[in-house]
Amino acid sequence: NAGVTQTPKFRILKIGQSMTLQCTQDMNHNYMYWYRQDPGMGLKLIYYSVGAGITDKGEVPNGYNVSRSTTEDFPLRLELAAPSQTSVYFCASSAGSGVFETQYFGPGTRLLVL
Amino acid sequence: QKEVEQDPGPLSVPEGAIVSLNCTYSNSAFQYFMWYRQYSRKGPELLMYTYSSGNKEDGRFTAQVDKSSKYISLFIRDSQPSDSATYLCADQGTSYGKLTFGQGTILTVHP
Repeated sequence: NAGVTQTPKFRILKIGQSMTLQCTQDMNHNYMYWYRQDPGMGLKLIYYSVGAGITDKGEVPNGYNVSRSTTEDFPLRLELAAPSQTSVYFCASSAGSGVFETQYFGPGTRLLVL
Repeated sequence: QKEVEQDPGPLSVPEGAIVSLNCTYSNSAFQYFMWYRQYSRKGPELLMYTYSSGNKEDGRFTAQVDKSSKYISLFIRDSQPSDSATYLCADQGTSYGKLTFGQGTILTVHP
């Protein structure tokens, strides 16, 4: 099992450019999440999904979009990159079958918007 | 007021010391309380979780929750240099496993 994989590892974007952060899990998990982590700020939830075709906003969704067409993949789209989106982005997944389930995190994507 | 507050440190201790990490939370709906460990340039990984008030022990680690005062603690005994990492407390409510994280405490254990 590779667990949760994310690509790319690092990216520099210019203001106004677009990009998609890829996330794939091979654990057949129902729930998937996108978080961003700014220095000294912990992780904040951007979007989450409880299954293919079902997504919902988290705490900081502005400037991002998601889709979930398969159980395995949960891409995060930035349409018009802004310096405020400079951050480290983590994707996570959990089985979602019980009251409490461990969330497994990917290695992260570092994004710099200049 | 942030839902989960954590002192970011940094905290530097000698090898063998007992480390105490703490968080407070404000949302009474939180039911599960977790500690994640994050090594530099890696994703967080679950270290321990507790449900309701009380203590939970796992080797050198003890997690403690006091729901009456909304206080969460993690104790590390006989700390090792390999414990050097950022420790994040997190709380989970009832909705789809969504987590609310504290800011994280940077811990360095020096030999």
